Amino acid sequence: QLQLQESGQGLLKPSETLSLTCSASGGSVSASSFYYVWIRQPPGKGLEWVGRISYSGTTYYSPSLKSRVSMSIDTSKNQFSLKVSSVTAADTAVYYCARHAAVAGYYDYGLDVWGLGTTVTVSS
Amino acid sequence: QSALTQPPSASGSPGQSVTISCTGTKRDVGTYDYVSWYQHHPGKAPKLLIYEVTKRPSGVPDRFSGSKSGNTASLTVSGLQAEDEADYYCGSYAGTYSLGVFGGGTKLTVL
Repeated sequence: QLQLQESGQGLLKPSETLSLTCSASGGSVSASSFYYVWIRQPPGKGLEWVGRISYSGTTYYSPSLKSRVSMSIDTSKNQFSLKVSSVTAADTAVYYCARHAAVAGYYDYGLDVWGLGTTVTVSS
Repeated sequence: QSALTQPPSASGSPGQSVTISCTGTKRDVGTYDYVSWYQHHPGKAPKLLIYEVTKRPSGVPDRFSGSKSGNTASLTVSGLQAEDEADYYCGSYAGTYSLGVFGGGTKLTVL
């Protein structure tokens, strides 16, 4: 059973770069039927897509974050990562990594595995 | 403001049923049968309850059921139990050029 765990900085200053890693255990991020995604939840707000990456490294980012976000995947380390540059207070959120079992337009089995989330605070 | 609209709160007594709505548009819920529901207990990982509008992953009790009519999807929790008290989120596919959309979440209280 795949498990995911987020790790990374918890506190950043405005303009710094956020770096988070999602480590997988009990399964592989090399599986071709899944996307590996980042989702965030600002305080008091709902869930928000950040982006997704396939096992082969194909990415798709939220249009609102696209200019500042990059994701990568390292199948040898069984992990995938998120970077958000030039952070502001608006990037303060709990960041979740998850697995999305979907092929766009054909099936969508939902976000079936989630990490516990990691809290990121941006403050001067 | 979330793309999908959920009531901020819902409540029911043990044993009762409660239904949570999730209203989108014809760009998402109204066109695609790719609505999912998640349960989130604070401090824990969110859990997938329903996918493709009505389907339950293995291990999810049949007390949880999903449906859809037009632009609105619904999650019904039957036979409410204390452990059902949590936040519930809906999500929907929104086309090829979108990651998808989420609702703002509904806090379910078991009275």
